[in-house]
Amino acid sequence: NAGVTQTPKFRVLKTGQSMTLLCAQDMNHEYMYWYRQDPGMGLRLIHYSVGEGTTAKGEVPDGYNVSRLKKQNFLLGLESAAPSQTSVYFCASSYWEGENTEAFFGQGTRLTVV
Amino acid sequence: AQKITQTQPGMFVQEKEAVTLDCTYDTSDQSYGLFWYKQPSSGEMIFLIYQGSYDEQNATEGRYSLNFQKARKSANLVISASQLGDSAMYFCAMSPIFWGGYNKLIFGAGTRLAVHP
Repeated sequence: NAGVTQTPKFRVLKTGQSMTLLCAQDMNHEYMYWYRQDPGMGLRLIHYSVGEGTTAKGEVPDGYNVSRLKKQNFLLGLESAAPSQTSVYFCASSYWEGENTEAFFGQGTRLTVV
Repeated sequence: AQKITQTQPGMFVQEKEAVTLDCTYDTSDQSYGLFWYKQPSSGEMIFLIYQGSYDEQNATEGRYSLNFQKARKSANLVISASQLGDSAMYFCAMSPIFWGGYNKLIFGAGTRLAVHP
């Protein structure tokens, strides 16, 4: 059982380049999320999805776009990368069981924009 | 606005001793959940424990317990019998409880715990 898998694990981009981060989960979870983690800070929510075909903005959505064409996949796009987007990106998924809505995280993608 | 505050950037504990990691939160939501995650040096986020705002009893999961004091808006993590493998970054997080059960986690800045032999 792979859980939440992020591709790629590392990437270096030049300013202005574009890229897509892929998140795949095999747990049939309804909800998926993209977070970023900067040094000395906790994770911050970029975008999230409450179901196939739906997306919504989180705390820090500017400069990112997302898509959820299939339930198991959640894509994060950077159209024109900036050095401020250098960060570790985490994808997560969750489901509803009673009250606990624990999020399961991927292993992270370390992105450097030069 | 919601906010999580972890006032201890770093903590040290002797192996086999107990340690408390502090977390205070601010929210105007009536219904919310509190989470603790562990991030070892390898970088993954590991869920430890959850406490719902309406839970009257403190949550426990093995060696982890959550000391929930709603009036004081605190949700401290207690690790009993510390092990060397507990050395990691620990994050407190909170989310409103939405209908349908999805979450929007707000994280604190974290506490780095070092367990000494």
